[in-house]
Amino acid sequence: LAKTTQPISMDSYEGQEVNITCSHNNIATNDYITWYQQFPSQGPRFIIQGYKTKVTNEVASLFIPADRKSSTLSLPRVSLSDTAVYYCLVAGGFKTIFGAGTRLFVKA
Amino acid sequence: GAVVSQHPSRVICKSGTSVKIECRSLDFQATTMFWYRQFPKQSLMLMATSNEGSKATYEQGVEKDKFLINHASLTLSTLTVTSAHPEDSSFYICSASEDRGNEQFFGPGTRLTVL
Repeated sequence: LAKTTQPISMDSYEGQEVNITCSHNNIATNDYITWYQQFPSQGPRFIIQGYKTKVTNEVASLFIPADRKSSTLSLPRVSLSDTAVYYCLVAGGFKTIFGAGTRLFVKA
Repeated sequence: GAVVSQHPSRVICKSGTSVKIECRSLDFQATTMFWYRQFPKQSLMLMATSNEGSKATYEQGVEKDKFLINHASLTLSTLTVTSAHPEDSSFYICSASEDRGNEQFFGPGTRLTVL
């Protein structure tokens, strides 16, 4: 299983773009990269998933370089409600191991 | 779509009693369900993986006789914490997946407090 490394915490202000980078140096060929958001006392919520290049949905973009050893979650124009923990997961099969996650704090 | 529910959302019990937590996939058939435990300000820790109709696979260090998992149907898995003790107090989260490699859909979690 590929181990992931993320910054422990990040601060931002409302309206700014936030980029959270995750390192996964030993990602396997069949592994996908998935990002989840978790609020206190709630289950994780799916944000975005990708395999390579760029993926965009209504809430975020995911940038994956050609070597796939890292990925960057981009949150455009964050608001106070985006304060949460963000997890980067790399998995190609059943098993999913959560890393420590990044605690994002959005200030007014 | 892809909704996973858990019941109860929170439970308080006395030390020595057993507690059952249900995890249901409401609008899809989950061939695989996962159970996680999360302590305050920590990440989710995978406890076990269960496939419908077969025995669960437990992670190292998780006692299978203490945390009984049953995945009797494609929409329901249960976790029973037997003879609960205060150190078992935690946030228990389940997730469900339709197929190998597919996205996991997480339940809202169950807060267990053992007095």
